[in-house]
Amino acid sequence: DGGITQSPKYLFRKEGQNVTLSCEQNLNHDAMYWYRQDPGQGLRLIYYSQIVNDFQKGDIAEGYSVSREKKESFPLTVTSAQKNPTAFYLCASRLNGELFFGEGSRLTVL
Amino acid sequence: GDSVTQMEGPVTLSEEAFLTINCTYTATGYPSLFWYVQYPGEGLQLLLKATKADDKGSNKGFEATYRKETTSFHLEKGSVQVSDSAVYFCALRMGGRSGGSNYKLTFGKGTLLTVNP
Repeated sequence: DGGITQSPKYLFRKEGQNVTLSCEQNLNHDAMYWYRQDPGQGLRLIYYSQIVNDFQKGDIAEGYSVSREKKESFPLTVTSAQKNPTAFYLCASRLNGELFFGEGSRLTVL
Repeated sequence: GDSVTQMEGPVTLSEEAFLTINCTYTATGYPSLFWYVQYPGEGLQLLLKATKADDKGSNKGFEATYRKETTSFHLEKGSVQVSDSAVYFCALRMGGRSGGSNYKLTFGKGTLLTVNP
């Protein structure tokens, strides 16, 4: 089946550790996105990539990093510089104006 | 900047009740408008959309009409079911049909709907 796969679904991290969230798509979409979701705050854009080897900061990029070495993959690293990393992270890809979302990764910092 | 305002939840209804979730927007120009739904523990799915004024989007019994004069895109359903329990997000997008390099969705904060049997 075509779609977007995010892993892990749940992740726990100690303060001061970096963690990388995986996002893979087999939809052959060029553009991919990372959003952060917090209760009562909707979705906020962290980073996006229109094409391989290119990516742009979104509204809340501080403390995060990404790479886009392959069309299928857009991993997000939550660094120790991110002050409040506990959240639900959603990856999406885009085709013709429509976003297709993965099932999300819930990160909890202990 | 562009923004979307949704009615605050949570909204609790009995099965077969009528649903309205209000959504208004602020944007320079004429955005495309979307409703996304998020079922418990899952990502978001596109529910419906409208790309120009007076367009009506519809899907799974849900409807929303793009009202330029009131800058609104209210979501309605005539008879809700327990399976409609989810969080609903209104969103807008500026830019061209495919969006190009400036494609960006702006989301509202979401409205939690709970439907009781």
